Amino acid sequence: DGGITQSPKYLFRKEGQNVTLSCEQNLNHDAMYWYRQDPGQGLRLIYYSQIVNDFQKGDIAEGYSVSREKKESFPLTVTSAQKNPTAFYLCASSVRGVATNEKLFFGSGTQLSVL
Amino acid sequence: AQTVTQSQPEMSVQEAETVTLSCTYDTSESDYYLFWYKQPPSRQMILVIRQEAYKQQNATENRFSVNFQKAAKSFSLKISDSQLGDAAMYFCAYIATQGGSEKLVFGKGTKLTVNP
Repeated sequence: DGGITQSPKYLFRKEGQNVTLSCEQNLNHDAMYWYRQDPGQGLRLIYYSQIVNDFQKGDIAEGYSVSREKKESFPLTVTSAQKNPTAFYLCASSVRGVATNEKLFFGSGTQLSVL
Repeated sequence: AQTVTQSQPEMSVQEAETVTLSCTYDTSESDYYLFWYKQPPSRQMILVIRQEAYKQQNATENRFSVNFQKAAKSFSLKISDSQLGDAAMYFCAYIATQGGSEKLVFGKGTKLTVNP
């Protein structure tokens, strides 16, 4: 079945450590997105990518980094510069950008906590 | 910058009754899309309904319908014949189709409780 796979489901980070969240899709979608969700908040965009080898910062990119070396993969690294990383992270994808397509397809999310 | 406001942090409804969730947005764009997403306790995001700004007719999907007032920048969601499975967080979202970058902007959500 086609879809978006995020792993791991739960992740713990130690102080000063970088951690990477995986996002893989087999939908052949061009665009991929990372969102952060805090309790009582909506989803805030971290980074997005419309095509391979290109990506743009969202509203809260500081302390995060991404890569888009393959169409199906868009990993997110939470660096030690992100001082408040505890949150629920959602990956999404769409065809040629949301504006020209029906909807975003979301993964099941990764809950990141600080030890 | 575009913003989306959901003024009701929590709402409750009796099973089989109707409830309306409010959403307003701020934009200078003339062409855009609006969405309602549902997030149940599993935290999986599910698209409920979608509205193109250029369409005057309100979108409907089975028990879900919207009241889209473009001049007022209002986009409310009506759930008819509420079911226990409708209990979830509901997020209103906006995206412009030209001009700005293509990013979906979300409101802070409304938690809907359905009472049996």
